[in-house]
Amino acid sequence: AQSVTQLGSHVSVSEGALVLLRCNYSSSVPPYLFWYVQYPNQGLQLLLKYTSAATLVKGINGFEAEFKKSETSFHLTKPSAHMSDAAEYFCAVSEDTGGFKTIFGAGTRLFVKA
Amino acid sequence: EPEVTQTPSHQVTQMGQEVILRCVPISNHLYFYWYRQILGQKVEFLVSFYNNEISEKSEIFDDQFSVERPDGSNFTLKIRSTKLEDSAMYFCASSERGRAEKLFFGSGTQLSVL
Repeated sequence: AQSVTQLGSHVSVSEGALVLLRCNYSSSVPPYLFWYVQYPNQGLQLLLKYTSAATLVKGINGFEAEFKKSETSFHLTKPSAHMSDAAEYFCAVSEDTGGFKTIFGAGTRLFVKA
Repeated sequence: EPEVTQTPSHQVTQMGQEVILRCVPISNHLYFYWYRQILGQKVEFLVSFYNNEISEKSEIFDDQFSVERPDGSNFTLKIRSTKLEDSAMYFCASSERGRAEKLFFGSGTQLSVL
């Protein structure tokens, strides 16, 4: 069964600094991996997804993530944080097992300091 | 961009009462989902629905829960006899296709069971 672990429930960076949010996955078959963002009082929105094409995936708002099979990781990065990036970020995994289910991690709240 | 809409945004109910949470998925989407998020915890998968039947459900989705697509536009989640531990934010989502597809989320219904 698939699962996702996000390291760090809270991450704080200064504006302009590198953002790194960590995600490790467990899957018995090649996974589909996603990062979603949730702003206050809103639903989740897709940032980017990996579906076995390029291992470096570019998403919206300058975010990107790299799929590393050997490390079972899919960390999210952004070179320079902006105040508007403050939100909760969820890593998610979906498997091609016949059912339709996406499993989410516990989330990492990103704080951006001026 | 098209949206998933959920009503009501907040629902307060007494323990043991039935509640129905309503969702209008995006019109050309074929796959529908319910997730919930207990305060401070991860987003948990409840159920997926395709072609007028449940395609997958989690252990949380027991006999107290049911889903329905009563007409061509609405998708509902019913909790037959609410418990205190059902208090959570419930998110509806839809996708054009299953598995590796982007999920579009509604803004959620905050359910409080007293």
